[in-house]
Amino acid sequence: GAGVSQSPSNKVTEKGKDVELRCDPISGHTALYWYRQSLGQGLEFLIYFQGNSAPDKSGLPSDRFSAERTGGSVSTLTIQRTQQEDSAVYLCASSSQKTVWGAAFFGQGTRLTVV
Amino acid sequence: EDKVVQSPLSLVVHEGDTVTLNCSYEVTNFRSLLWYKQEKKAPTFLFMLTSSGIEKKSGRLSSILDKKELSSILNITATQTGDSAIYLCAVEAPQRGAGGTSYGKLTFGQGTILTVHP
Repeated sequence: GAGVSQSPSNKVTEKGKDVELRCDPISGHTALYWYRQSLGQGLEFLIYFQGNSAPDKSGLPSDRFSAERTGGSVSTLTIQRTQQEDSAVYLCASSSQKTVWGAAFFGQGTRLTVV
Repeated sequence: EDKVVQSPLSLVVHEGDTVTLNCSYEVTNFRSLLWYKQEKKAPTFLFMLTSSGIEKKSGRLSSILDKKELSSILNITATQTGDSAIYLCAVEAPQRGAGGTSYGKLTFGQGTILTVHP
């Protein structure tokens, strides 16, 4: 696609429910990143994909968080049993370069609100 | 642990003023420093700096890196209301993930909220 696309743009969910956030990267970009931004905070790294594999999952905050990528393209971030502290904007970025991250392109993000 | 600190956290100015935003870092194995502008949700890329002392310029925005001082500044001259945004600084460091995959990992500062009044 022309840019990184994320869906939904906003999601309100009840505490304890599972949610899935989707990221569709720029066509041909092999590197894909998920970040989280809480209110008034900078971006917090969650996970990095190169192709379909995730060499770095170190930022996932708990085992309630998981992510997968299929076909070297679309990625899904799943949060199970959501908690109020999971409320944040979840940003996805993609890049065409394997070893030099450079200017990755960000999607518009998904604003998750857990009530 | 890699660390990036931005200052000030917020800044309010009037149109036409010049502003300087600061970014300092402590990173193992530095590769580059990047500046982003974030309006609403998606950060948009402004500059990537890898060498000390070389100014990058785009219109009214400019940035320079000082590797000796482990810092960078972002200057905006003749500010306009459209410059109101969060400005994020990030530092890239090469990492080696599972399976020996090498990639660049960004550590972000907390951002500077710039508000430009008419």
